[in-house]
Amino acid sequence: GIQVEQSPPDLILQEGANSTLRCNFSDSVNNLQWFHQNPWGQLINLFYIPSGTKQNGRLSATTVATERYSLLYISSSQTTDSGVYFCAVEGVDAGKSTFGDGTTLTVKP
Amino acid sequence: ETGVTQSPTHLIKTRGQQVTLRCSSQSGHNTVSWYQQALGQGPQFIFQYYREEENGRGNFPPRFSGLQFPNYSSELNVNALELDDSALYLCASSLYPNAGELFFGEGSRLTVL
Repeated sequence: GIQVEQSPPDLILQEGANSTLRCNFSDSVNNLQWFHQNPWGQLINLFYIPSGTKQNGRLSATTVATERYSLLYISSSQTTDSGVYFCAVEGVDAGKSTFGDGTTLTVKP
Repeated sequence: ETGVTQSPTHLIKTRGQQVTLRCSSQSGHNTVSWYQQALGQGPQFIFQYYREEENGRGNFPPRFSGLQFPNYSSELNVNALELDDSALYLCASSLYPNAGELFFGEGSRLTVL
């Protein structure tokens, strides 16, 4: 099945800093999503982005499907951005989404 | 628009028991997928239900089973619980299979003692 690799595994920032999270995948995908997992465990949808670029406030994402990677940008980090960020992809042949192991972001005041 | 809801939110069972977790899909969504998330890992796909039938399964043993009802809500049943079944169980709904965007509930946290 498709492999999903996220980097870095852990990231510590000062409030106000910018960050880039990466998601590499091993095969062609139909769908790609970025999630933020809150402290209670719920996965919050950030972006549905199988290709192209999207922006939502301080967050933006870019997927280059031909090169099999996606990037999540967080600008002017806030302490509330802390948590685990997951990338999930659905391969062309699969009826399921495969998740990476996540990036744990800690934003310090 | 009603989001995905799951119940119970927390539960504790002992090894060998059986558990049923429930999920109501988002309004208008006919597909439900279940995931297991162990501590410190990403969610792992268990199975998907579409039109009341299993529509894909991950690498989980048969003691993990499910149902989908005509209103598209779903149940996950786990028999003969093992300690390693302790995890967060997440339900996601989508418009239809391969529809792309998944919407998750808050999860059911199962502890097996």
